[in-house]
Amino acid sequence: QSVLTQPPSVSGAPGQRVTISCTGSNSNIGAGYDVHWYQQVPGTPPKLLIYGNSNRPSGVPDRFSGSRSGTSASLAISGLQAEDEADYYCQSFESSLSGFVFWVFGGGTKLTVL
Amino acid sequence: QVQLVQSGAEVKKPGASVKVSCKASGYTFTSYSIHWVRQAPGQGLEWVGMINPNGGNTDYAQKFQGRVTVTRDTSTSTVYMELSSLRSEDTAVYYCARVLDASGYYLGYWGQGALVTVSS
Repeated sequence: QSVLTQPPSVSGAPGQRVTISCTGSNSNIGAGYDVHWYQQVPGTPPKLLIYGNSNRPSGVPDRFSGSRSGTSASLAISGLQAEDEADYYCQSFESSLSGFVFWVFGGGTKLTVL
Repeated sequence: QVQLVQSGAEVKKPGASVKVSCKASGYTFTSYSIHWVRQAPGQGLEWVGMINPNGGNTDYAQKFQGRVTVTRDTSTSTVYMELSSLRSEDTAVYYCARVLDASGYYLGYWGQGALVTVSS
């Protein structure tokens, strides 16, 4: 059970726009920690898609965009393509009552391109 | 180019230990932290711990405190993750990953993964 909640699955037709949410709380996203997103094609390592809430690493198409607001973040994919079919994970940080800060991932969302 | 090459698959019995290696190349080894992330079959990603190769400081997820040790060998640019007291729930692919930027907290480069199977 992750502290960052993502929908288990989303789907869309080629060319459409889909969004994936990542819902946290005041001890993680709401505390001001940045959110990052990864794309994982089954059987391969994850790939960094968005960092610092809304920045794209070199080589990532501008069809992918991210945002953060309050205790949530979202990843948007426009102009959906068949190659976008993959699992998507958000990542941020959680601060415990003892002051320890640790990395956390969302549970992942499977994107199906219809 | 940045490369992280991990050791191969392992099969261990419950209660045993496993040590997975991650050899880095293509950059200054001591300039970027290396993290370990695992993924159980059909499950999501789980952060295990990390090491700063410059000095060897480590940080571990609370869940693995006392069972995991991450070390590095600067002479060979290799990071190791040792997990002890293995149980069946530790069966997973273990990835090493490097932060993209020296000042960032996101993983820009990943190893190919090493499957660790815990079975009697």
